[in-house]
Amino acid sequence: AQSVTQLDSQVPVFEEAPVELRCNYSSSVSVYLFWYVQYPNQGLQLLLKYLSGSTLVESINGFEAEFNKSQTSFHLRKPSVHISDTAEYFCAVKGSNDYKLSFGAGTTVTVRA
Amino acid sequence: EAQVTQNPRYLITVTGKKLTVTCSQNMNHEYMSWYRQDPGLGLRQIYYSMNVEVTDKGDVPEGYKVSRKEKRNFPLILESPSPNQTSLYFCASSPQGADTEAFFGQGTRLTVV
Repeated sequence: AQSVTQLDSQVPVFEEAPVELRCNYSSSVSVYLFWYVQYPNQGLQLLLKYLSGSTLVESINGFEAEFNKSQTSFHLRKPSVHISDTAEYFCAVKGSNDYKLSFGAGTTVTVRA
Repeated sequence: EAQVTQNPRYLITVTGKKLTVTCSQNMNHEYMSWYRQDPGLGLRQIYYSMNVEVTDKGDVPEGYKVSRKEKRNFPLILESPSPNQTSLYFCASSPQGADTEAFFGQGTRLTVV
């Protein structure tokens, strides 16, 4: 079975400042890793994913995450946030032999002007 | 448009009154699942289905039932709702393969009084 720990429940940040959301996972098998974003009153949307290959993955709106196998981490970063990035962010993991997504508790990012 | 559709979006009901939340996907996905989202706990899987007539318990199945008579539909049934089932519910679908992303519905906010 897999598990995910998101180390920060709330992250307040000023507009145009950088942000990092921390995610650690536990698994006895190889994993696939995902970050989902949930804007207020909406469902979850995929932000980015790591399946294989390059350990640095990027989204179309400026987020990036790096898979670190030795530290079992998949931290999410953005160098300069916008007000519109205010949302809840979920890190999720699937085992390579599984269909089930296991989620972290979520990190609420609030961007202030 | 490819999507997962849940109904209703909002529901207030009384303890013990049976209810069904519908979920339908138009992407011909084999795998479907239900999650509940609670503050500080992230998303927890209730039930999942690998294909038509194949369903199994997730992490928090008590008090819920599901069925998968057709590939596109995966309703969630609460036979006798209780206040501790007040939550935000999400249906998700994904194609075969562990390396695939899940697509989520818009959510159903259920309040049991």
